[in-house]
Amino acid sequence: AQTVTQSQPEMSVQEAETVTLSCTYDTSESNYYLFWYKQPPSRQMILVIRQEAYKQQNATENRFSVNFQKAAKSFSLKISDSQLGDTAMYFCAFMKLRGSNYKLTFGKGTLLTVNP
Amino acid sequence: DTGVSQNPRHKITKRGQNVTFRCDPISEHNRLYWYRQTLGQGPEFLTYFQNEAQLEKSRLLSDRFSAERPKGSFSTLEIQRTEQGDSAMYLCASLTWTGTGSGNTIYFGEGSWLTVV
Repeated sequence: AQTVTQSQPEMSVQEAETVTLSCTYDTSESNYYLFWYKQPPSRQMILVIRQEAYKQQNATENRFSVNFQKAAKSFSLKISDSQLGDTAMYFCAFMKLRGSNYKLTFGKGTLLTVNP
Repeated sequence: DTGVSQNPRHKITKRGQNVTFRCDPISEHNRLYWYRQTLGQGPEFLTYFQNEAQLEKSRLLSDRFSAERPKGSFSTLEIQRTEQGDSAMYLCASLTWTGTGSGNTIYFGEGSWLTVV
């Protein structure tokens, strides 16, 4: 079974600064996807960024980028130029591709607060 | 609105009552998932449908829980004889697997909050 660990229950950052959220995972699979989801106080889970394990290049989406270290099973999220609207719970999630159900396994989340 | 839709958004019920939640996935998505999320935790997988077939159920899904997806469109999650431990948010999500990298993303609804008193 896969496990996802987010070791930072809470983090805070000043507006316009950069913050990095950590995620590690444990799996014996070689082919999988990793995701970061954001869940604002309104509670809808929104995709932030996705990384396919077979790709060596780290994914980027505007101010969001990841540092994917496959051998270390690490998948951190960097948020640059933090904005007040980035305040939310952030969940790291793993998707196994073998077996074809494509369900997600989530970490416990990191509550990020962006301060003005 | 072409996103995943869930209703009701909030439900307060007395212990022992039955409740039903509905999920309307993104129309072209053939895969549908139910997750449960409690405060301070990440979502936990409950069950999965591919079209109308329920292909996997978690051990979290006790006998009091039943899910259906008639005709492979909307889905319902029913909880019978509710208990206080059932209080949680129930999230629905959908996906269509394209076989290539770019389109394979699970989209979530806003969730249905259940409070059992």
